[in-house]
Amino acid sequence: SQELEQSPQSLIVQEGKNLTINCTSSKTLYGLYWYKQKYGEGLIFLMMLQKGGEEKSHEKITAKLDEKKQQSSLHITASQPSHAGIYLCGADSPGGTSYGKLTFGQGTILTVHP
Amino acid sequence: NAGVTQTPKFRVLKTGQSMTLLCAQDMNHEYMYWYRQDPGMGLRLIHYSVGEGTTAKGEVPDGYNVSRLKKQNFLLGLESAAPSQTSVYFCATRARGWDAQYFGPGTRLTVL
Repeated sequence: SQELEQSPQSLIVQEGKNLTINCTSSKTLYGLYWYKQKYGEGLIFLMMLQKGGEEKSHEKITAKLDEKKQQSSLHITASQPSHAGIYLCGADSPGGTSYGKLTFGQGTILTVHP
Repeated sequence: NAGVTQTPKFRVLKTGQSMTLLCAQDMNHEYMYWYRQDPGMGLRLIHYSVGEGTTAKGEVPDGYNVSRLKKQNFLLGLESAAPSQTSVYFCATRARGWDAQYFGPGTRLTVL
């Protein structure tokens, strides 16, 4: 079965600093999804990546999928307290089948100090 | 357009009691999922449905039952609650094809 490992498990940064969260798969990624979760709330969809080398940005958040499609990174530029939360990566099953089920990483807890 | 809603938001049960969690969506998505989220365990799939009238077991189905009588609703039942079922439960939906799963706000369940 596919496993996703996120690093780091937790991250504390000062407001204004840049940061990167990584998501590494044991198998080739066919669809990679990034989510953000605030404590006590549901997961908010951020971005979806499918192609090797693909990069997407939204406001100050950029997600990339490497050419080999086994690792994705999420980069936040000039972090703000509003970026704090848990970031999770999720992946489609190898081959893109299995009724849309996703495997999730354990999450990265981000704290941003003002 | 409410997206995905879950009822109730919070619930406290005594061991052995039963309850049903309701997930409702207005996005006309075919696929629906129930997860539980526990510290250190991440998100684990309980049951899922690929369309009205269908259900299938996920990773941790024991102690739970589900039904999808209408496309827009997915119900999760606990027949005899146990303390091990204390968790936060999330419902998610997904359209066919390449798309993300969209999550509800969650239900925090405590079983005493």
